[in-house]
Amino acid sequence: EAEVAQSPRYKITEKSQAVAFWCDPISGHATLYWYRQILGQGPELLVQFQDESVVDDSQLPKDRFSAERLKGVDSTLKIQPAELGDSAMYLCASRRTSITYEQYFGPGTRLTVT
Amino acid sequence: AQKITQTQPGMFVQEKEAVTLDCTYDTSDPSYGLFWYKQPSSGEMIFLIYQGSYDQQNATEGRYSLNFQKARKSANLVISASQLGDSAMYFCAMREGPMDSSYKLIFGSGTRLLVRP
Repeated sequence: EAEVAQSPRYKITEKSQAVAFWCDPISGHATLYWYRQILGQGPELLVQFQDESVVDDSQLPKDRFSAERLKGVDSTLKIQPAELGDSAMYLCASRRTSITYEQYFGPGTRLTVT
Repeated sequence: AQKITQTQPGMFVQEKEAVTLDCTYDTSDPSYGLFWYKQPSSGEMIFLIYQGSYDQQNATEGRYSLNFQKARKSANLVISASQLGDSAMYFCAMREGPMDSSYKLIFGSGTRLLVRP
């Protein structure tokens, strides 16, 4: 069964350093989502792509976060510089679009900023 | 603005018994959808069940059923015959936006379910 892949699974970084996360959606899924999940809370959308275009990045802290999906397949989320408050689980999800309603989630990247 | 409320931070249930996890929502959009996801300690979000606002019957998927009460704006998840492997966080979520490329999910704060042997 096809799955959403994410790496790394765990990342520890120091404050003010740069960090990047990678996501490879299920093949054929045009829509890709990045969520941030702070411990004890539900996920919150950071950015949404349709193919290579950003559909919604209204909740992305653009002074330090950036996201790209250059060829409309895999995607990278970057934080520079990382802050203590960025410690969270970063989840990637994909959806086929207009055929199915469910989003398929990857295993997530757990980020700890020290 | 759309909002999802899960008022039970934690629940216990005895193995093989049924349990109901509460979810209420608020929206002014006549077209919406409600989802339930399970998140084990490993972190991945697993899709369980979906209910569209225009669906006439309550959704069911195996041991999961959704008790959808539109007038009360509630979409409670019922798990029948609980198993030890059901111990996890459960999130209720609402589709915001039409069912096209722009739709996104708004999540509740979750309920932690512990199944006792």
